[in-house]
Amino acid sequence: GAVVSQHPSRVICKSGTSVKIECRSLDFQATTMFWYRQFPKQSLMLMATSNEGSKATYEQGVEKDKFLINHASLTLSTLTVTSAHPEDSSFYICSAPQRGRTNYGYTFGSGTRLTVV
Amino acid sequence: EDKVVQSPLSLVVHEGDTVTLNCSYEVTNFRSLLWYKQEKKAPTFLFMLTSSGIEKKSGRLSSILDKKELSSILNITATQTGDSAIYLCAGGANTGNQFYFGTGTSLTVIP
Repeated sequence: GAVVSQHPSRVICKSGTSVKIECRSLDFQATTMFWYRQFPKQSLMLMATSNEGSKATYEQGVEKDKFLINHASLTLSTLTVTSAHPEDSSFYICSAPQRGRTNYGYTFGSGTRLTVV
Repeated sequence: EDKVVQSPLSLVVHEGDTVTLNCSYEVTNFRSLLWYKQEKKAPTFLFMLTSSGIEKKSGRLSSILDKKELSSILNITATQTGDSAIYLCAGGANTGNQFYFGTGTSLTVIP
């Protein structure tokens, strides 16, 4: 089945540094990747949609200069949290639709637990 | 504004009980509804529903969509402790190719 590989799975960084999260589609081409964040005991909140070869679309309230998204190839999308602060600590998950395989929904990465200290 | 609402927010049952989780949606140009089970990390896919009134089953889990009522239910029969998880539903539109997630129902099954 389709697999999205996400890493790192866990990262601890100092306040003010930047962290890059990668999501790779392993056996299919992901022309679109969705990036979500999830706070404890809350649901997934869509942050942005990245499309291969074009600028990402950000949801209202999400700072595009803080959460840089790059989707340079059909198999790789990255989210960089710039100048991270403790309030950015969260669980970040990517998800890609499987074109033509609507019976299977969307494939999620395994998530990245970011802790900013 | 597109939104998905789930109820109850949390539920505690005993092993062997049957539970019904609810999901209602308001999604412009609605296309499909998805159910996911989330344990410790990323959600795992359960069902995708696009047609009203057709039940989908997988073992002890089943789900059905009611487009007239803009809702869906997820049933779990003979619950087991391994069913303890957060169950998420998400509504998707024809345009934009994205899904709107509900807040989830936290299910705890106690022995």
